[in-house]
Amino acid sequence: EVQLVESGGGLVQPGGSLRLSCAASGFTVSSNYMSWVRQAPGKGLEWVSVIYSGGTPYYANSVKGRFTISRDNSKNTLYLQMNNLRAEDTAVYYCARIMQQWLVFDYWGQGTLATVSS
Amino acid sequence: EIVLTQSPGTLSLSPGERATLSCRASQSVSSTYLAWYQQKPGQAPRLLIYGASSRATGIPDRFSGSGSGTDFTLTISTLEPEDFAVYYCQQYGSSYTFGQGTKLEIK
Repeated sequence: EVQLVESGGGLVQPGGSLRLSCAASGFTVSSNYMSWVRQAPGKGLEWVSVIYSGGTPYYANSVKGRFTISRDNSKNTLYLQMNNLRAEDTAVYYCARIMQQWLVFDYWGQGTLATVSS
Repeated sequence: EIVLTQSPGTLSLSPGERATLSCRASQSVSSTYLAWYQQKPGQAPRLLIYGASSRATGIPDRFSGSGSGTDFTLTISTLEPEDFAVYYCQQYGSSYTFGQGTKLEIK
């Protein structure tokens, strides 16, 4: 059974950092396309970042230069390092697996809330 | 970046009725890369439709997707109480984008 479990969210001051983790089971992270999608309170879904099976990362313009996506193959875990956080980064962050042929998000974690506030 | 605009913003219907949700793209989208998701309060989104018209695993056949180019539709043939939720369309062009969502509420 495919499962994704996020952790690492919390309260951080503007300018601070957080590292989110997404532990996967039931499949191999390194063989798949993996992504982070976020949802600000009461708002819609916003794609944040993707890492393809070859290791190439891409980012939304809103986070480029501040966020870094990575994976640990030995732990079968996806990460999102978030630096220089802003109030507008406050959101529930979901990790999601991408169906490679269709480039859609077929499995999602339960999400972890990151709150940026002083 | 391709912008997806969903309409209506809110749709008020009763169980047993038919729901038609629209997703319009700012430029042509490959049907291969068009999806629909359902999200209930406090839950993660769930994939309903991929490739514009293929149902994901376990999705009831009352859900159907159609469309091409810039206009796509999600139809729920006969609403069940559990179908009231927010629905998002999503596409991949050079980047991944979502529509702003349609809230389907009980009338």
